Amino acid sequence: DVVMTQSPLPLPVTLGQPASISCRSSQSLVYSDGNTYLNWFQQRPGQSPRRLIYKVSKRDSGVPDRFSGSGSGTDFTLKISRVEAEDVGVYYCMQGTHWPWTFGQGTKVEIQ
Amino acid sequence: EVQLVESGGGLVQPGGSLRLSCAASEFTFSNYWMNWVRQAPGKGLEWVANIDPDGSAKYYVDSVRGRFTISRDNANNSLFLQMSSLRAEDTAVYYCVRAPEMGTVDYWGQGTLVAVSS
Repeated sequence: DVVMTQSPLPLPVTLGQPASISCRSSQSLVYSDGNTYLNWFQQRPGQSPRRLIYKVSKRDSGVPDRFSGSGSGTDFTLKISRVEAEDVGVYYCMQGTHWPWTFGQGTKVEIQ
Repeated sequence: EVQLVESGGGLVQPGGSLRLSCAASEFTFSNYWMNWVRQAPGKGLEWVANIDPDGSAKYYVDSVRGRFTISRDNANNSLFLQMSSLRAEDTAVYYCVRAPEMGTVDYWGQGTLVAVSS
């Protein structure tokens, strides 16, 4: 199975400051069709996960533009340009290129 | 708005069985791959199984293959997960999740808790 490794795991942030989460895969996530199926999800306390980003950098409707995804091959990043209080929660990367689909361990974003 | 509502969770003894259901609405259910993803208490997410739109193709994570069976009823917009030979490590919130296209999932239900304990 493809192992997804996130860092850091706890991420203390300051309101209004940028934040960045890294996600590395044990194999390339480029599929035979040329697409890279890397997703980012946010899980706020007590809620179900919510998709933020798919195909590395495509932002979902309704997701604030302070969230952005980038990367290629095996190295990916989720950036929050200016952290807001509502961004507190756990963020997961997920690869959908190889069966079985696998998630990173989760990065807990908390206000310091 | 897409809705996915899980039911059927509960407390079950090790070795027991349980059937989870997911009622889907506000989208054409029969057009989509559907998934079950679980989350053990305080832990991360684990994809469990998925099924193609007509129910002919099914995939499972190794840890549940042979014990869990995913199925669907397109006439009633429902997804199921039959779980047997349950183990303590199957304890988790089970989410019903839609896959809108290759390589991704979008809408998640609220989850149903399965607790395996004697």
